[in-house]
Order: sequence, then structure tokens, then C-alpha cells
Amino acid sequence: RKEVEQDPGPFNVPEGATVAFNCTYSNSASQSFFWYRQDCRKEPKLLMSVYSSGNEDGRFTAQLNRASQYISLLIRDSKLSDSATYLCVVKIGKLIFGQGTTLQVKP
Amino acid sequence: NAGVTQTPKFQVLKTGQSMTLQCAQDMNHEYMSWYRQDPGMGLRLIHYSVGAGITDQGEVPNGYNVSRSTTEDFPLRLLSAAPSQTSVYFCASSYSTPGTADTQYFGPGTRLTVL
Repeated sequence: RKEVEQDPGPFNVPEGATVAFNCTYSNSASQSFFWYRQDCRKEPKLLMSVYSSGNEDGRFTAQLNRASQYISLLIRDSKLSDSATYLCVVKIGKLIFGQGTTLQVKP
Repeated sequence: NAGVTQTPKFQVLKTGQSMTLQCAQDMNHEYMSWYRQDPGMGLRLIHYSVGAGITDQGEVPNGYNVSRSTTEDFPLRLLSAAPSQTSVYFCASSYSTPGTADTQYFGPGTRLTVL
């Protein structure tokens, strides 16, 4: 079983839609959680950290469920510019990256 | 600041050749890492360094060597290239151990093909 698992997608949604991605992790000792964004053929960039109480950054909301060992990312009012691959990242000593979920927002 | 730079951007090698991927950062970061990214897989840690003169192995170190003689530079050496090393390689740096409040910055990547 992979340490961090994501549905690779792609998720195809129209502009303005709300979309959610989940990510599961296998190690209950995981310390910190993040979402990174990676545009096609570019380097990953930190989108947001994920806190136990949940946190929001504009149209993006991240949630953590330690009991069920998953984190989620909700994107509201999707924009064309949100099209990218979203990487779930878990810290277990070092950073462990999921394979990513691809989002395509259509006009 | 240039941030994290990597050269070359693209490289084609023949099996058995050796080469060095260059990585440099101008942010005075102590922590630097090398990852590889393959289709259908997440980024996997090859080697990392917590400061000049200190390196350690990551998840997939076989076939690669690193050194850290300065804070700025962290080259990755492929000793004898194999087709299994065809991948996209990312270098990253941060002030401290990634996964704290500190952000990890990635370079633009090197796309390597081994024939």
C-alpha cells in the first residue's frame, strides 16, 4: 500500500463549479500535511498547509481527519487557471508526496 | 533572487554514461534535496543535505551520488546511467527541515532520458 494515495483523475469540471479531492495516508504518526500545486511540466509549489481545525485561503479549503487518516481540498468557484495537478504531501520525518490529482477546468 | 536554479533543463544520455545535474540556490538555505518524478508516482526523495558537508540518502539513492561543499550548490551525479533513471529531476531547498512552517522551494527541473 502506498504511504500517500490520491485519485489521479482527471477531474473535468466547468468554470464556477465546486470540486473536492481526497487523499489518504497510511502512517498514523504523520506529523504535518500540505497541498502542493504543479502546473504542466513545471515545478511543484506550496498551495497551503493543512491544519487539524481546517483552514481556508480564499476559494480553497483544506481539511484533516486524523481518525480516518485523510485530508481533503475543496475548490469553490473554479477558474480556468485552477487547472493543474494537486499533490497531497505528508510529513513522516521527511516529505512523502502523493502521485497527484489532475484538475481540468473547462469554459 | 534567482531562487533555485537547475541545469541542464533537458539531457539525453546513453546507457553507461555519467553526468552531473547542477543545482544552486541563492537564498542561503541550509536544507537541500533531490527528487525524481515518474509518471503515476509521486516525487521520490533521492538524497538530501542538512548543510554544507552533510548529506544523507533518501528513498531511492541507488545509482546516484551527491556532495555539498558549499551552502549554495548541491550537484547530483549519475554514475552509470540506466534507462530506469529516465525521469524528471527536481532540486529543492528550504531554511530548515521541510514540513515545518518553512516552505520548500523547487527548481524548474531537469528532464533526463537514458537510451
